[in-house]
Amino acid sequence: ILNVEQSPQSLHVQEGDSTNFTCSFPSSNFYALHWYRWETAKSPEALFVMTLNGDEKKKGRISATLNTKEGYSYLYIKGSQPEDSATYLCASQNFNKFYFGSGTKLNVKP
Amino acid sequence: EPEVTQTPSHQVTQMGQEVILRCVPISNHLYFYWYRQILGQKVEFLVSFYNNEISEKSEIFDDQFSVERPDGSNFTLKIRSTKLEDSAMYFCASSELAGTYNEQFFGPGTRLTVL
Repeated sequence: ILNVEQSPQSLHVQEGDSTNFTCSFPSSNFYALHWYRWETAKSPEALFVMTLNGDEKKKGRISATLNTKEGYSYLYIKGSQPEDSATYLCASQNFNKFYFGSGTKLNVKP
Repeated sequence: EPEVTQTPSHQVTQMGQEVILRCVPISNHLYFYWYRQILGQKVEFLVSFYNNEISEKSEIFDDQFSVERPDGSNFTLKIRSTKLEDSAMYFCASSELAGTYNEQFFGPGTRLTVL
C-alpha cells in the first residue's frame, strides 16, 4: 500500500488570499499524480493529471506542480474565492491502482 | 454533460446479507473503478475493470467482493455477506483511457449502512 500524505489537513483563508497545499507520495513506481476537488455532497471532480517531473498545470486560478524525484506536488490557488471552498484530494497512481491522501479542507471566508 | 450515476443513494442492510451496488458509467468510457470511504478515513481503491475483467484490485477486495458488467451499461459491485465494517460510502468512477491520461469521472456515491 502506498502512503500518500496531504498537508495541511484544513485551511481557513480570507477571500482574495492565495494559498497552497502539499501532497507527498512515494517516488518509487510512480505513474501519475491526480488532483481532485471535492465539494460537500458532490462527487470528486478531476482537476489535474500529472505525470512528468517538473510538470506544471493550470486551470484558471488553480495550478499545480509535480516533483517525482522527491515525491511531492503542490496545488496553488491564487486569489481564493468562497466558491473554492472544498476538500482537495490527491491520489498517486500505480498502473491502474490509486492511493489517496486524506485531503486538505479549504474554507474561504468572504 | 454526461455523468456517472449510482443507485441506490443509500442502502441499509443486515449483517450477513448480500448487497449489489449499481453504477452506470459514461457511455464511451472503457475503464471502471470502485472506491470506498469509511467515515473519517481516506478514500480507498477497491478494484479497476477493463474489457470485462479485473485489471487491478486492492488488498481490501477479497472473496466477499465481486464486480460485473452484466449488460454493457451497468457496472455492479456485489458484497456477498456484509459485515459491519463494510459500512462506507462507495464510489464508482469511469475513464475513457487508462494510463497517463486517465481523468476519472466519479459518481455521487452509495452510502451503505450495515446493521
